[in-house]
Amino acid sequence: KAGVTQTPRYLIKTRGQQVTLSCSPISGHRSVSWYQQTPGQGLQFLFEYFSETQRNKGNFPGRFSGRQFSNSRSEMNVSTLELGDSALYLCASSWDRAASYEQYFGPGTRLTVT
Amino acid sequence: GENVEQHPSTLSVQEGDSAVIKCTYSDSASNYFPWYKQELGKGPQLIIDIRSNVGEKKDQRIAVTLNKTAKHFSLHITETQPEDSAVYFCAAKDSNYQLIWGAGTKLIIKP
Repeated sequence: KAGVTQTPRYLIKTRGQQVTLSCSPISGHRSVSWYQQTPGQGLQFLFEYFSETQRNKGNFPGRFSGRQFSNSRSEMNVSTLELGDSALYLCASSWDRAASYEQYFGPGTRLTVT
Repeated sequence: GENVEQHPSTLSVQEGDSAVIKCTYSDSASNYFPWYKQELGKGPQLIIDIRSNVGEKKDQRIAVTLNKTAKHFSLHITETQPEDSAVYFCAAKDSNYQLIWGAGTKLIIKP
């Protein structure tokens, strides 16, 4: 069974630009969650999608948004990038609600904002 | 809302010794507590989890204990090996069905 894939793996953007990250979950998984990981803040929950609906949202500004498609693939978008958005963005999929079932993480997308 | 505190932030143990990482949580309604291991350059991976109807769970060299009264749970690794070196995260499910994560513990196994 293929694991969670994330594209691209590395990205360099300039302040003010926007970026879209993509995540393909494990086949059959219906839930996709996104996390931001930084050395100082650990794992910060961004949002969870299930059947194309946002189920949960973390404490991030509206510049961070996401969506899920009918095939469970998900994208997250960050608009008006700031230097502080530099981080590793992790996507995780699970069979059902992420808070109750094992999450399978992808390798992450390393975003650098200059 | 739920708050999860994890200690220590760094733990260095001799190979073959045991390692213990502790987490405390604040939401008494929390009922699911997973532990994830993150190796360098990889995403976190579930190593063990426990639900609130169980006090202890073991899987070979790894065990997790849960004290609901004190609202804390711990990860125990026995007979540590070099491949145990990684960052370990605890988490707790809050009443809003959201996983709240600890800050992580960097475990270093000294040869």
